[in-house]
Amino acid sequence: AQTVTQSQPEMSVQEAETVTLSCTYDTSESDYYLFWYKQPPSRQMILVIRQEAYKQQNATENRFSVNFQKAAKSFSLKISDSQLGDAAMYFCAYRSASNAGNMLTFGGGTRLMVKP
Amino acid sequence: EAQVTQNPRYLITVTGKKLTVTCSQNMNHEYMSWYRQDPGLGLRQIYYSMNVEVTDKGDVPEGYKVSRKEKRNFPLILESPSPNQTSLYFCASSSHGAAGYHEQYFGPGTRLTVT
Repeated sequence: AQTVTQSQPEMSVQEAETVTLSCTYDTSESDYYLFWYKQPPSRQMILVIRQEAYKQQNATENRFSVNFQKAAKSFSLKISDSQLGDAAMYFCAYRSASNAGNMLTFGGGTRLMVKP
Repeated sequence: EAQVTQNPRYLITVTGKKLTVTCSQNMNHEYMSWYRQDPGLGLRQIYYSMNVEVTDKGDVPEGYKVSRKEKRNFPLILESPSPNQTSLYFCASSSHGAAGYHEQYFGPGTRLTVT
């Protein structure tokens, strides 16, 4: 079974600075997807960014980018120019490309605080 | 507007009193699922459905039931709730569950407390 680990329960960053959230995963599969979800106080789950394992190029979405290290099974999220609205819980998630159940396996989450 | 809705958003109940949390989507998605979120554990899948009348267990199905009689609805049933089912519950849907990428759309969550 796949597992996803987020080793940082909480992180803080100064507004306008850059922060990196860590995620490692364990799988024996070669084809899969990785995701970062944001959960603000409203509790809504918001997809921030996704990465296909077969792509070597790291995904980017505006101020959000990932560092995908397939051999190391590492998938970190970098937030540049942090804003107060970035304060939230962030979840790393894994999905097998062959999973007919479309199940996402989540890490335990990292709470990000942004200081003004 | 494409969305997944859940009701109720908040529920406080007592041990053993049967309850149902409803989930509905308006995107004609084949695939629907339920997750529970607990501190430090992230979200874990309870049950999923590939289509009408097709359901299967996720990682933590004990104490829950589901049904899929209509494509748009996927209710979660707790026949005899216990305090360890106190949690935040999410319904999600996507276009279909076959291999390949299919973005999941999450509902707003239901906060359940069982005393």
